[in-house]
Amino acid sequence: NAGVMQNPRHLVRRRGQEARLRCSPMKGHSHVYWYRQLPEEGLKFMVYLQKENIIDESGMPKERFSAEFPKEGPSILRIQQVVRGDSAAYFCASSPGQESYEQYFGPGTRLTVT
Amino acid sequence: GDSVTQMEGPVTLSEEAFLTINCTYTATGYPSLFWYVQYPGEGLQLLLKATKADDKGSNKGFEATYRKETTSFHLEKGSVQVSDSAVYFCASRPPGNTPLVFGKGTRLSVIA
Repeated sequence: NAGVMQNPRHLVRRRGQEARLRCSPMKGHSHVYWYRQLPEEGLKFMVYLQKENIIDESGMPKERFSAEFPKEGPSILRIQQVVRGDSAAYFCASSPGQESYEQYFGPGTRLTVT
Repeated sequence: GDSVTQMEGPVTLSEEAFLTINCTYTATGYPSLFWYVQYPGEGLQLLLKATKADDKGSNKGFEATYRKETTSFHLEKGSVQVSDSAVYFCASRPPGNTPLVFGKGTRLSVIA
């Protein structure tokens, strides 16, 4: 059973470009969480999605950031007009959706904005 | 809101030394508690968990006990190895399919 997949693993963007990060949850998991890890910091929650629904986006910046989890295909975190402060590691985690299950993390995408 | 506080690092120990990493939490309800480990360049791996008071999570020689009276979940290992060098994150999660709340992480370096 493959784990949570994220791609790309490393992404370099110039200021003003768009960054698109993908997350494929574990098989059978319908819940996806995105977290951001700034250098030397812990992970901060960004957004929680189920298939075709955003459940909680309280940790998402109001501008330039968006997320989706379509019926088919991976979850996408999109950052428009990136700035240097967006440089971070972005992790997604998935769970099957039952209360007792923990979240399984992917290897992360390390975004560098130059 | 809920929060997690863990001891700041870095922590440097000699091989076979005893390890304690302190973690305390604040929560309005009864969260589940977790320790995650992050090896260099990798994502987070679940190390152990406890879902209710007095539960003890254990894995790979690591242990942590859910102490409701002191709102703590300290990580311990009796004899660390060089391969334990990593960043350790304490986390809490309120009941339900809710996001994890992480501490800032503690970097552990074990030297031979």
